[in-house]
Amino acid sequence: QKEVEQNSGPLSVPEGAIASLNCTYSDRGSQSFFWYRQYSGKSPELIMSIYSNGDKEDGRFTAQLNKASQYVSLLIRDSQPSDSATYLCAVRTSQAGTALIFGKGTTLSVSS
Amino acid sequence: GAVVSQHPSRVICKSGTSVKIECRSLDFQATTMFWYRQFPKQSLMLMATSNEGSKATYEQGVEKDKFLINHASLTLSTLTVTSAHPEDSSFYICSARDSAGSGYTFGSGTRLTVV
Repeated sequence: QKEVEQNSGPLSVPEGAIASLNCTYSDRGSQSFFWYRQYSGKSPELIMSIYSNGDKEDGRFTAQLNKASQYVSLLIRDSQPSDSATYLCAVRTSQAGTALIFGKGTTLSVSS
Repeated sequence: GAVVSQHPSRVICKSGTSVKIECRSLDFQATTMFWYRQFPKQSLMLMATSNEGSKATYEQGVEKDKFLINHASLTLSTLTVTSAHPEDSSFYICSARDSAGSGYTFGSGTRLTVV
């Protein structure tokens, strides 16, 4: 079963706060994990990829991966109104070849 | 960086006609192309995976005779929606990967509206 699950939200945070986005996946053999941001009517934009357990930081973004618990999360520090978008978790599973399987996405709203 | 050019960005067609969507990799060789569609407020759903020179592999529930995928060269893949119906109206997105597996590059998407 190739499933990637996310809370659809909306997740609302004030400007400057930390936004926490979570994702779980069902295929224990999954290898690669990605977070994308998608604005309405646009194609997804890669934020981060993570392959190993632990944290990976890139600017205001931190991805966290826990393969034992089968979850991956994205933290956005100092959230800005421009961060308001839908965040998609994507997983390369062992059952879908090299394709990415996407979650439904979490809509984030950052209020100023 | 890697770029995939997808055209057209928007298309409106009459029910029963066919529409072709093109994705070109501009600065790399796309050995694998993935085709997704996205309905409003939904996520990207994988339709098919195609490797250059091979027949596409379709996901369960996707009609291969309706959604024709051609990947005859390393820089061009096309998706043809045949005999389109209003329920085919969606956002179609391609994603390319090179042989080194260095990442996934997405096209800008095609908004198809069937009237």
